[in-house]
Amino acid sequence: KNQVEQSPQSLIILEGKNCTLQCNYTVSPFSNLRWYKQDTGRGPVSLTIMTFSENTKSNGRYTATLDADTKQSSLHITASQLSDSASYICVVSRRGLRFGAGTRLTVKP
Amino acid sequence: GAVVSQHPSWVICKSGTSVKIECRSLDFQATTMFWYRQFPKQSLMLMATSNEGSKATYEQGVEKDKFLINHASLTLSTLTVTSAHPEDSSFYICSARLRGSNQPQHFGDGTRLSIL
Repeated sequence: KNQVEQSPQSLIILEGKNCTLQCNYTVSPFSNLRWYKQDTGRGPVSLTIMTFSENTKSNGRYTATLDADTKQSSLHITASQLSDSASYICVVSRRGLRFGAGTRLTVKP
Repeated sequence: GAVVSQHPSWVICKSGTSVKIECRSLDFQATTMFWYRQFPKQSLMLMATSNEGSKATYEQGVEKDKFLINHASLTLSTLTVTSAHPEDSSFYICSARLRGSNQPQHFGDGTRLSIL
């Protein structure tokens, strides 16, 4: 079983709408938890990073939350844009990186 | 800062050919570089970890004689896929990191390898 599970697997929303992506993990404790954005055919780009003790971190329209008790993290995207169409990957760092399989987000006009 | 460049970005070659992929850290010295493989709609899978001047450490199931890794300098690591076959077709991504396991990994833009 993967140590980092993401849901949904894919998501389609209309431009301007908000959405929330989920990440459940079993890795504990960990050094940090990151959310990455990966455009098709490109490498991952870091959006947010949170340490074990942090609850929330924002980067523009992206807000990540972390609940260490339930071992859940979420990435909230506000006022989505067409350029937000990408895969979003949850990555937990503990003696190496544990990758989730990602959520494929499609934003339609 | 923290730019990692991969070359080539896309390569198509015949079965049996050996292919070399370069990974360079452009504005920092990377003591550790990582090589990942990503199949369609799947997550990144770590293939090997290389420390400058040392032999690479391969993950279980990754053939070290097929995927040759050289990390001869603090800014360059290469992955050579020897005698590539169609099943080696994938998206190969490198990342680079400063010394220390808590340092972030910076990813390259990947290399799309297609073996005919």
